[in-house]
Amino acid sequence: QSVLTQPPSASGTPGQRVTISCSGSSSNIGSNTVNWYQQLPGTAPKLLIYSNNQRPSGVPDRFSGSKSGTSASLAISGLQSEDEADYYCAAWDDSLNALFGGGTKLTVL
Amino acid sequence: QVQLVQSGAEVKKPGASVKVSCKASGYTFTSYGISWVRQAPGQGLEWMGWISAYNGNTNYAQKLQGRVTMTTDTSTSTAYMELRSLRSDDTAVYYCARGNAASYDTWGQGTLVTVSS
Repeated sequence: QSVLTQPPSASGTPGQRVTISCSGSSSNIGSNTVNWYQQLPGTAPKLLIYSNNQRPSGVPDRFSGSKSGTSASLAISGLQSEDEADYYCAAWDDSLNALFGGGTKLTVL
Repeated sequence: QVQLVQSGAEVKKPGASVKVSCKASGYTFTSYGISWVRQAPGQGLEWMGWISAYNGNTNYAQKLQGRVTMTTDTSTSTAYMELRSLRSDDTAVYYCARGNAASYDTWGQGTLVTVSS
């Protein structure tokens, strides 16, 4: 069981807005920044959001991140079929380990 | 462009060791750390550890302490991850990634390591 807790699945229809939550504790999300990764089927993960809410170059602004206390969220607006993927949150823990959430499988209906 | 290219798939017997390489290009190798992350079939991502390409300092996941060694060769801009005493539950895709502290901006393509008798 992962220390960072994500819902195992989420879904939405094209054009909709969906959010994925990530819950941690004071030693990880509460005191360090959160990053989000997108993993398309059969491919390596890709950095989607870093430092809670920053998008790397090339990531559409449909993707946004936020953090409050010991929880974080990834929001995807204007959902598209190509957004169907697994999404992982990640944060550094004060125990000097990087932690990943268990992953959320996003289905575009 | 920044790129990490990993070595090919491996099949190992239980108790054996495996060494995966990760060759970096497109940036100054010693300016970034390299982290290793693995993913068992159908499972999520698991952080294995990190190595500084600048001075070789390492930080390993507690559950792998004593079985994993990460090294770098700055002359070839290559990072290595060796895992010993392999078990069936070490079967996974192993990724190298540039960065530290859970923020990885570039990933290798992955190396499948299968442990089977």
